[in-house]
Amino acid sequence: EVQLVESGGGLVQPGGSLKLSCAASGFTFSGSAMHWVRQASGKGLEWVGRIRSKANSYATAYAASVKGRFTISRDDSKNTAYLQMNSLKTEDTAVYYCTTRVSQNYATPYFDYWGQGTLVTVSS
Amino acid sequence: QSVLTQPPSVSGAPGQRVTISCTGSSSNIGAGYDVHWYQQLPGTAPKLLIYGNSNRPSGVPDRFSGSKSGTSASLAITGLQAEDEADYYCQSYDSSLVFGGGTKLTVL
Repeated sequence: EVQLVESGGGLVQPGGSLKLSCAASGFTFSGSAMHWVRQASGKGLEWVGRIRSKANSYATAYAASVKGRFTISRDDSKNTAYLQMNSLKTEDTAVYYCTTRVSQNYATPYFDYWGQGTLVTVSS
Repeated sequence: QSVLTQPPSVSGAPGQRVTISCTGSSSNIGAGYDVHWYQQLPGTAPKLLIYGNSNRPSGVPDRFSGSKSGTSASLAITGLQAEDEADYYCQSYDSSLVFGGGTKLTVL
């Protein structure tokens, strides 16, 4: 059974940092790109960024809203992906989901497995 | 403001058919990028409903169908049921992965 479990959310002051983790199981983690998607309360989904597999040079990409502040990494030995968030702003307050595609590949990525999400609150 | 435009809300009575549109442009859907659809029940993570414009993952009822034409895509739900009441999002690509703003489906 595929499982994605996020952790590390919490309350942080503006300008602060937080690191989220996404522990994966039930699929070949090392061969899969891992994405982060966030959702502010009562709002829609926003793609945050992704990290590709070792075979794809661990390439990362980010949404313009977080580029330069957020960093995605992974540890294939621990089947875990990370989202390091620096210089946090109040508008970064959201539930953060990690997500991936395990099934059939498509040119435009889609997500067939999602974690339960972890809440990040940026407030003074 | 998303580059993929969805109606904020749609509604229908049990048993009826509803459609949710996802309107893009020549830089996303019109450029040939696939459209995927997700269902999000209150308080839960999104669930993949349709991938590759019109394909249903295993376990998704055939009451749900997707289509794409030109710069738009649509999600159709037939035989509407109370448990279909949820938020629905389209997703594609436009310089980066993008989601539509979401549509709240109310079952009357």
